[in-house]
Amino acid sequence: EVQLVQSGAEVKKPGESLKISCKASGFSFATYWIGWVRQMPGKGLEWMGIHYPSDSDTRYSPSFQGQVTISADRSMTTAYLQWSSLKASDTAIYYCARQIGTAAVFDYWGQGTLVTVS
Amino acid sequence: QSALTQPASVSGSPGQSITISCTGTSSDVGGYNYVSWYQQYPGKAPKLMIYDVTNRPSGVSNRFSGSKSGNTASLTISGLQAEDEADYYCSSYTSSSTLGVFGTGTKVTVL
Repeated sequence: EVQLVQSGAEVKKPGESLKISCKASGFSFATYWIGWVRQMPGKGLEWMGIHYPSDSDTRYSPSFQGQVTISADRSMTTAYLQWSSLKASDTAIYYCARQIGTAAVFDYWGQGTLVTVS
Repeated sequence: QSALTQPASVSGSPGQSITISCTGTSSDVGGYNYVSWYQQYPGKAPKLMIYDVTNRPSGVSNRFSGSKSGNTASLTISGLQAEDEADYYCSSYTSSSTLGVFGTGTKVTVL
C-alpha cells in the first residue's frame, strides 16, 4: 500500500529554521517525483516544487524559488521541505504528494503538516 | 504563473448534474492534455479524481467525468450526492514553469 506519512504540526517564531518530513512506503521511492503543495488558511492549493530522489533533480515554482529547499534521503525514503528563516506568511498546511508518470499529476498525498509561525 | 480560474461556488440538488469549469491559457490547459481534478473535504488532504483530462483513477466513481475544449476544462458530477459536497481544484501542467498550476478552487454545495 502506497503511503506518505508527514511529520507533526510545528509552531515556530519568525526567523527560525524548520525542516518537515514526508516518509514514503509501498513504492519505489527513488523513481517517482515527490512534490510539495502549500495551502494557506482558508485558501487554495499552491504548487511549490518537485524532487526526483534518483538524481536529486529539483524544480521550484517561481513563487517559491529561493524561499524553500526541497530534498530527500533515498536510504530513509523520506522527502523534506525546509526553511532557513520563517516568516509569518509561511503559516499554512503543507502537503507532500507523489507525482505519477504523466505531467503534473499527484496520485497519493500525505496527511498534511500544519506550520504556524507566530 | 497565475492560478487557473474556477467559479467560487456551484450548487445542485441531489440527483442533478453539475459542471465546474477551469479556464487557463494556451500555455497550460489549452496546450496540453494534462488537466487533473482533485476533491478536498475540510481538514483533509486532496484526492485525485480525474487525470489527463478524462481518466479516472481506480476506485473513483464513474459519476465524475472530465472534458476539455480550448483553454477551458470541465468536471461534471452526475447524480449528485450529499457526499460530493467538498472543494474541487483543477490543475494543469504549465510550460511557463514546466511544473503544475492549480485552479482557484470551487466549493460544491448539495442543496
